[in-house]
Parts: sequence; C-alpha cells; structure tokens
Amino acid sequence: GNSVTQMEGPVTLSEEAFLTINCTYTATGYPSLFWYVQYPGEGLQLLLKATKADDKGSNKGFEATYRKETTSFHLEKGSVQVSDSAVYFCALTPISSGSARQLTFGSGTQLTVLP
Amino acid sequence: DAGVIQSPRHEVTEMGQEVTLRCKPISGHDYLFWYRQTMMRGLELLIYFNNNVPIDDSGMPEDRFSAKMPNASFSTLKIQPSEPRDSAVYFCASSLTGGRKTEQFFGPGTRLTVL
Repeated sequence: GNSVTQMEGPVTLSEEAFLTINCTYTATGYPSLFWYVQYPGEGLQLLLKATKADDKGSNKGFEATYRKETTSFHLEKGSVQVSDSAVYFCALTPISSGSARQLTFGSGTQLTVLP
Repeated sequence: DAGVIQSPRHEVTEMGQEVTLRCKPISGHDYLFWYRQTMMRGLELLIYFNNNVPIDDSGMPEDRFSAKMPNASFSTLKIQPSEPRDSAVYFCASSLTGGRKTEQFFGPGTRLTVL
C-alpha cells in the first residue's frame, strides 16, 4: 500500500536557522507529492506540491524536490521565522485513477521557532 | 470565498450521545472529504464524496459512523452512539475535479470530546 514516513518531531530551531524536514514515501509509479502546514487551531493548508520526478515545489521560502531515485520529498527553508512555527505534513496521492483523490499523510512534524 | 466551513468548532458530549458534525464545502467544488486527526493515528481519511455520492467509505471505523451529503453545499458526519475513543479533531475538505494533482482545501476542524 501507499505510505509516507516523516522525521520525528518536535523540531526546535532559532530564528534564521536552516530547516530540513525529511519525508520518504512508498507508492507505485509516480504519485503526486504535497507538503501541508497546520497552524495552531486551524485546518491544513497546502504549502507546496510536485507532480513528477525532479519537480521542485516552492512557496514562502520553502522548497522540496521530488526525488524518484530516493523516494523522497524533503522540505527545506534557508532561514526560518517565528511565524513558521506549525505542524508540517508530507502527503501523497497515488497514480491509480480509482484512488486519485485519497491523500495519504505522514505523521506530521511539529516545528517551533524561537526568537 | 469563505473557505470550507465547519460547525461546531468544539463539541463536548457524554458517552452514548449522538453527535452530528457539519460541513459546507467551497462553492463549486465537487469532491468532499472527511478526515479524523488523533495523536495516536494521525490524519485518517474516513469517507469521500463526488457530486454528493459517497465513493469510498472504507475508512469509516464502525457502523456507529455515518455520513451524508444531501446537496452540493452541505454534508454531515454522525456518530451514534458516541464513545470516548471517538475524541479527535474532525476535518472536512473539498476540492475541484482535476485529477490527483488537485489541492484539497481544509476547514478549521471540529474538536470532539466524548466524556
């Protein structure tokens, strides 16, 4: 079956530090890959996505590259801000049309950025 | 657009009571999803609808759970009777037809506590 594995949290960084949150996946073919972010008390919001190998998704200074050879989609940001404190979820939708809508989520990584 | 609207935002009830959660998707979206989020199991897809028709309810945990979508602008998730292990945050999400690359838009969630 499809699955997503994220690095365990929580992660605590100082402002302006470099961020990496690791994500690897198991799926057949070429799934679409997503990073969602959940701020306290809110629902999930799409942060970025990539739909084919070697695609790079980017938004708000965050980036992730779809690596087919390592089945990975690691999230990075060069300089985090206090406002980036949230829970980050890696997710995929599979290639099969029958389940094309079904997002499979990782367990989430709590990020806290200290001033 | 107001985004996906869920009500209530918080619900506290006693074991054995019936609970109804409500969702209004984004106007024009033809897919609607119900998710449950717990610390132990993370985010789980419970059921999803396309054009008001349930497509996959394999994630519904038990017969105590039921979901309906009587029209394009309203859906309910009902738990009867409720149990303490149903305590979780329940999210509704909606999306437009567009294949597996399409973003899902999440509501703010309903935090359910069953005593």
